[in-house]
Amino acid sequence: KQEVTQIPAALSVPEGENLVLNCSFTDSAIYNLQWFRQDPGKGLTSLLLIQSSQREQTSGRLNASLDKSSGRSTLYIAASQPGDSATYLCAAISSGSARQLTFGSGTQLTVLP
Amino acid sequence: NAGVTQTPKFQVLKTGQSMTLQCAQDMNHEYMSWYRQDPGMGLRLIHYSVGAGITDQGEVPNGYNVSRSTTEDFPLRLLSAAPSQTSVYFCASSNLQGLAGVSDTQYFGPGTRLTVL
Repeated sequence: KQEVTQIPAALSVPEGENLVLNCSFTDSAIYNLQWFRQDPGKGLTSLLLIQSSQREQTSGRLNASLDKSSGRSTLYIAASQPGDSATYLCAAISSGSARQLTFGSGTQLTVLP
Repeated sequence: NAGVTQTPKFQVLKTGQSMTLQCAQDMNHEYMSWYRQDPGMGLRLIHYSVGAGITDQGEVPNGYNVSRSTTEDFPLRLLSAAPSQTSVYFCASSNLQGLAGVSDTQYFGPGTRLTVL
């Protein structure tokens, strides 16, 4: 059974700092990996999707990498802003029709002004 | 595009009552699914559908029914609500195939917060 772990569980940084969030998964036979952010009491907003054949994806200040062989993904946030404060979730997506997302428990990020 | 919409946003039920959580998407996505989010348990798949008329069980299907009569709608029915079903419910949708130039990013709705007393 796929298990996804995110480290650290919480992170507090000053505004402007570059930071890295880590995600690891136990089963490398994933279809895709997706990063989300969740604001308190809100839904999930998709940030980046990395296909299993890709090694990284970029969107604005965000860059996500994927290393299937080591079972790891990282989310890099450049020049962090207070508006980046949220919980960041990574999800490994299984092959097959279920397309089940197995989520990590998230990293709660606080960017201090 | 409204994306994925869910109604209601909040609901309080008594044990034994039934209700339907509504989910709709306007992106012509074949794939739709329901998750529940619980503290310490993360998000878990309840049911999913790969197209109209086709549904299947996920990780935690007991106590829930689904149907998919149209591409756009995927309602989740609680047959006899129990306190253990107190949770936040999310609906998601995506294209089914990762075809060239077609993203299969999964998009989530805003959620329904359900409390069962």
